[in-house]
Amino acid sequence: ELKVEQNPLFLSMQEGKNYTIYCNYSTTSDRLYWYRQDPGKSLESLFVLLSNGAVKQEGRLMASLDTKARLSTLHITAAVHDLSATYFCAVDILGGGADGLTFGKGTHLIIQP
Amino acid sequence: AAGVIQSPRHLIKEKRETATLKCYPIPRHDTVYWYQQGPGQDPQFLISFYEKMQSDKGSIPDRFSAQQFSDYHSELNMSSLELGDSALYFCATVRVRENDGYTFGSGTRLTVV
Repeated sequence: ELKVEQNPLFLSMQEGKNYTIYCNYSTTSDRLYWYRQDPGKSLESLFVLLSNGAVKQEGRLMASLDTKARLSTLHITAAVHDLSATYFCAVDILGGGADGLTFGKGTHLIIQP
Repeated sequence: AAGVIQSPRHLIKEKRETATLKCYPIPRHDTVYWYQQGPGQDPQFLISFYEKMQSDKGSIPDRFSAQQFSDYHSELNMSSLELGDSALYFCATVRVRENDGYTFGSGTRLTVV
């Protein structure tokens, strides 16, 4: 059974600070996804990481993937209040196959002024 | 750009009633996944369809059924509703042989009273 673990599950930080969210998964997969979710809203795709060593950046967010360590990180640089949300990582076993995505529990991020 | 359309956005039902949720994929997307997300929880995989055939089942109760139609839209039918079925229901679609990732619909918030 595929397990996806995120930490921390809850993070309160101040604007301007840097922090990293970690995502570990339990089985071989070359595809890892990061999503953002605002309360009561849908899941917004942030990054799709498709290979070992992949690094993608968008604004103050940067994601990386190490398939050998089965680890992905989401790094937040100089956080701003608008980044407050819940962030999920997710992995699919078969690369878009029958099982779809298995999600981590999510990291609830609050950024305070 | 066209997105994944879900309807209705909100639904209130009484216990033991039935509900039907609809999902219209992005054009050319051939695979549909249904997820259930309880309050403060991560999305849980319910069922998936590929090319109009059911491809896998997750934690879907026997009271629920789903199908994918010739135009690739999908419907999730829920009967004998229980209070615990109150949740956000998302569908996500993907074209399996492409690496664009999964696109989520805006979700249906089901409240069972």
